[in-house]
Amino acid sequence: DTAVSQTPKYLVTQMGNDKSIKCEQNLGHDTMYWYKQDSKKFLKIMFSYNNKELIINETVPNRFSPKSPDKAHLNLHINSLELGDSAVYFCASSQETGGAGYTFGSGTRLTVV
Amino acid sequence: TQLLEQSPQFLSIQEGENLTVYCNSSSVFSSLQWYRQEPGEGPVLLVTVVTGGEVKKLKRLTFQFGDARKDSSLHITAAQPGDTGLYLCADGGKLIFGQGTELSVKP
Repeated sequence: DTAVSQTPKYLVTQMGNDKSIKCEQNLGHDTMYWYKQDSKKFLKIMFSYNNKELIINETVPNRFSPKSPDKAHLNLHINSLELGDSAVYFCASSQETGGAGYTFGSGTRLTVV
Repeated sequence: TQLLEQSPQFLSIQEGENLTVYCNSSSVFSSLQWYRQEPGEGPVLLVTVVTGGEVKKLKRLTFQFGDARKDSSLHITAAQPGDTGLYLCADGGKLIFGQGTELSVKP
């Protein structure tokens, strides 16, 4: 009964490949997010999405694309993976704007070789 | 762009000691949040504060929000090994996180 679950936990892949990370939340939250945590533990927002609006951080390469089949799911698809994409990716969810706090998944450690 | 600066970046103490970590923002918080992240896990929300001057307590943790709503502190009393982790402050309304304070409490 995990609140925000993402798969896989670990992902090792070669440069140039395309990969997806899946995320599901069972909290009934309106908004879902993808964050990237770099090697220095800095968390940076990539996307926020609800059924009305997708907000993209302008620094995110267009090789990254969120896909939401329904309100409870927000997957992250990455094309043409690069070495610099190696990081831990976190899915999160919140009610509306997140002012009351976010619930995070346990992360996907992506390693590009 | 709002910047959140946390200090210290690293802190290693013995069990039973008290400690304080800080979070300073370059602009007014819309909603200040503190999280703790353990290795291999996602951040877990500890507290949300919105009113300047507000103080909240969570067992041995005391959170203080500055009057001007641009700074905050987290004080832990009698730290325990279970308090070990990365402490992150965030402006929840703006989706911005600080770089964190890595706390290690040794038995």
